[in-house]
Amino acid sequence: GQNIDQPTEMTATEGAIVQINCTYQTSGFNGLFWYQQHAGEAPTFLSYNVLDGLEEKGRFSSFLSRSKGYSYLLLKELQMKDSASYLCAVRDSNYQLIWGAGTKLIIKP
Amino acid sequence: ETGVTQTPRHLVMGMTNKKSLKCEQHLGHNAMYWYKQSAKKPLELMFVYNFKEQTENNSVPSRFSPECPNSSHLFLHLHTLQPEDSALYLCASSPKFAGTSGGADTQYFGPGTRLTVL
Repeated sequence: GQNIDQPTEMTATEGAIVQINCTYQTSGFNGLFWYQQHAGEAPTFLSYNVLDGLEEKGRFSSFLSRSKGYSYLLLKELQMKDSASYLCAVRDSNYQLIWGAGTKLIIKP
Repeated sequence: ETGVTQTPRHLVMGMTNKKSLKCEQHLGHNAMYWYKQSAKKPLELMFVYNFKEQTENNSVPSRFSPECPNSSHLFLHLHTLQPEDSALYLCASSPKFAGTSGGADTQYFGPGTRLTVL
């Protein structure tokens, strides 16, 4: 079967750095997405990785290792507004999106 | 971001009721999706429409009936639902349907309809 694993919940301090991991076992790979979802709101697109390496976008960076079936989302200079759920999704060989259950990130002052 | 809108935002219905969820996208996209999101579970893809034609139906019970009259509008008709159908129903759109084109066809989501079935 296909599977995406992410931690259920993480806690971090305002101003700090946090890394949210995502491991996947899918039938093929055609890209990995990260989305942010605030409570009661729509998921919003954060990043897309298809090649190995780090993609940086402001305070957020996303890393991919296809050989390890592993990605992480790195959030720097955490702000209270970063409290949200972070969803990892992988596109498999049939271009179907396989979703993780999401990681709820709690930011404390 | 108001590219994808959904109405109503909240819906409470009995098991014998019939209701409809509406989704509208203002992004000029050609593919639209219905997802079910339950607490602490991955998003479940329900239906996909590409250029108004249904391309995916992931074994969804017949009490959920989609309708796509044009590329901008998507409906989900509900009837004789069960309490376990209570969830957040999300609509999304993308420029193209990735299943036919590949590439980074990012999906843009609406805010969802919070459905409670009593």
